[in-house]
Parts: sequence; C-alpha cells; structure tokens
Amino acid sequence: EVQLLESGGGLVQPGGSLRLSCEASGFSFSMYGMSWVRQAQGKGLEWVSAITGSSSSTHYADSVKGRFTITRDNSKNMLYLQMNSLRVEDSALYYCAKDEWFGELSLDFWGQGTPVTVSS
Amino acid sequence: SVLTQPPSVSATPGQRVIISCSGSSSNIGSGAVNWYQQLPGMAPKLLIYSNNQRPAGVPERFSASKSGTSASLAISGLQSEDEADYYCATWDDSLNGRGLFGGGTKLTVL
Repeated sequence: EVQLLESGGGLVQPGGSLRLSCEASGFSFSMYGMSWVRQAQGKGLEWVSAITGSSSSTHYADSVKGRFTITRDNSKNMLYLQMNSLRVEDSALYYCAKDEWFGELSLDFWGQGTPVTVSS
Repeated sequence: SVLTQPPSVSATPGQRVIISCSGSSSNIGSGAVNWYQQLPGMAPKLLIYSNNQRPAGVPERFSASKSGTSASLAISGLQSEDEADYYCATWDDSLNGRGLFGGGTKLTVL
C-alpha cells in the first residue's frame, strides 16, 4: 500500500525557514518523480515543485523559485522541501504526491498534508 | 490561473454535468491533461489521467476529453457523493517546465 506522510509544518515568522519532509512507502521510491502541492485555506491547489526520481531535474513555481529547494534521499525514501525567506502568502497545507509519469502532473497518490503558517 | 475553469457548476441527481478547462499551446495544447477530485476536508484524488484514462476504481460515470487547448470532464448519472471540487492539471513546457492546476470548480448536487 502506497503511503505518503508529511511532517515539519508549523508556525514561523515572516522571513523564517522550515523544512518539510515526506516519508514514502509501498512503492519503489527512486523510480518515481515527486511533487509538492500546496493549498491555502479555502483556496485552490497550487503546484509548488517537482523532482525526478534520480534528482536529475527539479522544477519550481515562479512564486517560490529562489526561496524553496526540493530534494530527496532515495536511500531513506524521503522527500524534502526546504523553505526559506517565508512570506505570509506561503501559508498553506502542503501535500507531497507521487508522480506516476513525470512531466504530466499525474499525481496518483497524495499524503494528508502538513500545515504551514507564516505569521508574526 | 493559467488554466481556466468555471468557479462553480450545479445539477440535480441523475443529470450530466460538464466542467471545462481552457489553456494554451504550451500546456494543454502540448501535453496530457489530468483531473482531480477533492472531497471536503480530504486530499485530492486523481480522477482522470492522460486526457481520458480512469485509474482503477473510478466509476465509468466519469469521463474526459481534450481538444486543442481545451479539455473537459463529464460526470453522468450525478450522485450526491460527487459534490466536490474538481481541478484540471497539466504540465507547462514554458519557463523550464512547471506544473499547473486550474482554479478549481465547485460542483454542487442540488
């Protein structure tokens, strides 16, 4: 059974940093790309970042480029999102998702999300 | 949003409803479209992939198509449990590649 478990969310002041983690199980983690998707309270889905299975390629939304960094550790089945220079508008529920076919945004499994609140 | 969806649609049980998604040549026009269903308080679920394919377990009532730079999701035999937010999604080849979600459509079953 595929499982994705996010952690690391919390309350942080504007300008601060957080590192989100996503523990994956139930599939060959290194074979699949992964994405982070966020959803502000009462708003729609926003794709944040994606990484290929081998980490050879990473992609970012314009809204987070230069501030967020996606990485993965295939030896630990872990996906990460390092978030720096956080802004109030980064407040959202952050989901990690498995990408069945990288480059198509076909996210076939999702975690339950970890909440991030950026506020002073 | 770069992908445009109607904010809301509504219909009565048993009816057929269509949700549209409009994009451009660099996204829908050049790649596959996926659809996601998000029930209240839940994580999104992949409903349709590769323009018109249903993952295992998704009822045949859900179908989708793509033509040019637009796509649509059709739900027939509407049921109360279909009340949810629906999002189209695709990859955009511009700007070093990026994922795109439509703004979402709230389906209300009257």
